[in-house]
Amino acid sequence: DTAVSQTPKYLVTQMGNDKSIKCEQNLGHDTMYWYKQDSKKFLKIMFSYNNKELIINETVPNRFSPKSPDKAHLNLHINSLELGDSAVYFCASSQFDRNTEAFFGQGTRLTVV
Amino acid sequence: GDSVTQMEGPVTLSEEAFLTINCTYTATGYPSLFWYVQYPGEGLQLLLKATKADDKGSNKGFEATYRKETTSFHLEKGSVQVSDSAVYFCALSEVTGNQFYFGTGTSLTVIP
Repeated sequence: DTAVSQTPKYLVTQMGNDKSIKCEQNLGHDTMYWYKQDSKKFLKIMFSYNNKELIINETVPNRFSPKSPDKAHLNLHINSLELGDSAVYFCASSQFDRNTEAFFGQGTRLTVV
Repeated sequence: GDSVTQMEGPVTLSEEAFLTINCTYTATGYPSLFWYVQYPGEGLQLLLKATKADDKGSNKGFEATYRKETTSFHLEKGSVQVSDSAVYFCALSEVTGNQFYFGTGTSLTVIP
């Protein structure tokens, strides 16, 4: 069983389109994250949700909107896609306040053309 | 604020060479420390961790010791293999807040 799964794995789309990436975890964790990894492999935190509530919202364009329907899911919706949004997006989960590791999904490679 | 500084790459080694990737951190409390590995086209996987000072994390021949006095968590392996070629990330998290801070990643290539 995949612990953290995100779909799709690859996403190619045109500028201006709206797209969503879905993430689900079956670890029973109460905290989920979205990270963006650029071409130099640098990881940047975008959002963090704890028990469906937003707790971290880094400086990210408001075209990016996370949605957490329940503790096991955290989706990322992106409006009006731009070339600079091309990156790999990772979902992750962990247990809040336990000082334990985060588990990562396989990533979604988004290419905006 | 909290941060992780990691040795920059890329690093290229011959098979069976000794590996060290340096990692130092800044934290306000008592963080847990992690090394993650990312193989090409994959997500990050936990390689090892240490949750308190002087703890040694180890896995697959890799080791790192949590040194509070030097705020370091250097990754070492005595004899690397071609299959160790990957990007390695040092990270920390605090008990409260549970945000993870990642280093910039170090790309390792091992040649036969």
